[in-house]
Amino acid sequence: GAGVSQTPSNKVTEKGKYVELRCDPISGHTALYWYRQSLGQGPEFLIYFQGTGAADDSGLPNDRFFAVRPEGSVSTLKIQRTERGDSAVYLCASSPAGRGVGYTFGSGTRLTVV
Amino acid sequence: GQQVMQIPQYQHVQEGEDFTTYCNSSTTLSNIQWYKQRPGGHPVFLIQLVKSGEVKKQKRLTFQFGEAKKNSSLHITATQTTDVGTYFCAGSLGTDKLIFGTGTRLQVFP
Repeated sequence: GAGVSQTPSNKVTEKGKYVELRCDPISGHTALYWYRQSLGQGPEFLIYFQGTGAADDSGLPNDRFFAVRPEGSVSTLKIQRTERGDSAVYLCASSPAGRGVGYTFGSGTRLTVV
Repeated sequence: GQQVMQIPQYQHVQEGEDFTTYCNSSTTLSNIQWYKQRPGGHPVFLIQLVKSGEVKKQKRLTFQFGEAKKNSSLHITATQTTDVGTYFCAGSLGTDKLIFGTGTRLQVFP
């Protein structure tokens, strides 16, 4: 596609529920990144993929968070047993292969846990 | 862990005044990127700096990478209301992963 697409744009869920956030990167971009951003803060790294594999998942806060990219394109971020502290904007970005090229971000999914 | 700090946190300027934000990393970076995020929007890539002491210009914006590759700055000459937003630096340690700074929010009064 022309840009990075994230769905849903907004998600309200109850504490303890499971949620899935989807990211559709720019066609041909092999690298895909997940960040989360709280109000007034910079994006916080969660995980990134090169192709189908997670190249670095050191930013996932705990084992309630998991992400997949089974075919090297679309990625899903999965959060189990959501907590109020998980509320944030979850940003996905993609970039072409190789280092040194800026990220293209999607518009994000605003997750609110009530 | 690696930290990237930016100062100031907020800056309010009159239209036409200059603006500078400073970025400091706790570790030496392989490269640094700058992003702009408009209110309610998502970060948009502006530029990447790779070499020690590198200076790049984009119209009224001047970006510098420090000699030790641990700090960087963004200077905007003669600000306009369209410059409003939060400016983030983001550093890399040699992989594709970026660590974003704390950001500087710029407000421009007409």
